[in-house]
Amino acid sequence: AQSVAQPEDQVNVAEGNPLTVKCTYSVSGNPYLFWYVQYPNRGLQFLLKYITGDNLVKGSYGFEAEFNKSQTSFHLKKPSALVSDSALYFCAVRSSNSGYALNFGKGTSLLVTP
Amino acid sequence: DTGVSQNPRHKITKRGQNVTFRCDPISEHNRLYWYRQTLGQGPEFLTYFQNEAQLEKSRLLSDRFSAERPKGSFSTLEIQRTEQGDSAMYLCASSSDMGIGLYEQYFGPGTRLTVT
Repeated sequence: AQSVAQPEDQVNVAEGNPLTVKCTYSVSGNPYLFWYVQYPNRGLQFLLKYITGDNLVKGSYGFEAEFNKSQTSFHLKKPSALVSDSALYFCAVRSSNSGYALNFGKGTSLLVTP
Repeated sequence: DTGVSQNPRHKITKRGQNVTFRCDPISEHNRLYWYRQTLGQGPEFLTYFQNEAQLEKSRLLSDRFSAERPKGSFSTLEIQRTEQGDSAMYLCASSSDMGIGLYEQYFGPGTRLTVT
């Protein structure tokens, strides 16, 4: 079985400060990991993915994520948060040796205050 | 706009009625997925197609749900005899088995279904 945990329902950060949104996963086989962002009344937008290679992956809008195999984590990070980053963030996983369905976490609401 | 499109964006129906949603994927993408998202939850996988073949179905896809992708392009999701528990956002996504977008799925804006 595959699963994702996002332990924080909400993360609050001041504009200009670094932000971290946490994600841990469970999967058999090698994980394919993804981060998506959802703005109100809009669909999910792809931010970045880890498939193989460097543990630090860079994505859209200055976001990056670090894959940690021993801790089964894939935390999303950004060095300097913007108010416009306020949105709902979802982590997703699938296995390299199973089907194509993504398993999503419950989401973390990020609020960046001026 | 070359992204994934879904119609209608909103649907209100009475319990017991049938509804049908349409998804048009990114044109060169051969894989198409349906997910359901309820308030406060992440998307849950329903089913996926590779070209016109439906290759995987979730246990969430009850007998009242049927999906088709007859020519390997657009897809429809039909819900028969709707129940209040079917109220949700229905998301469609597509992906490619080559090139850019090999692994990630690109999502449409969704169809919000309200069953009264």
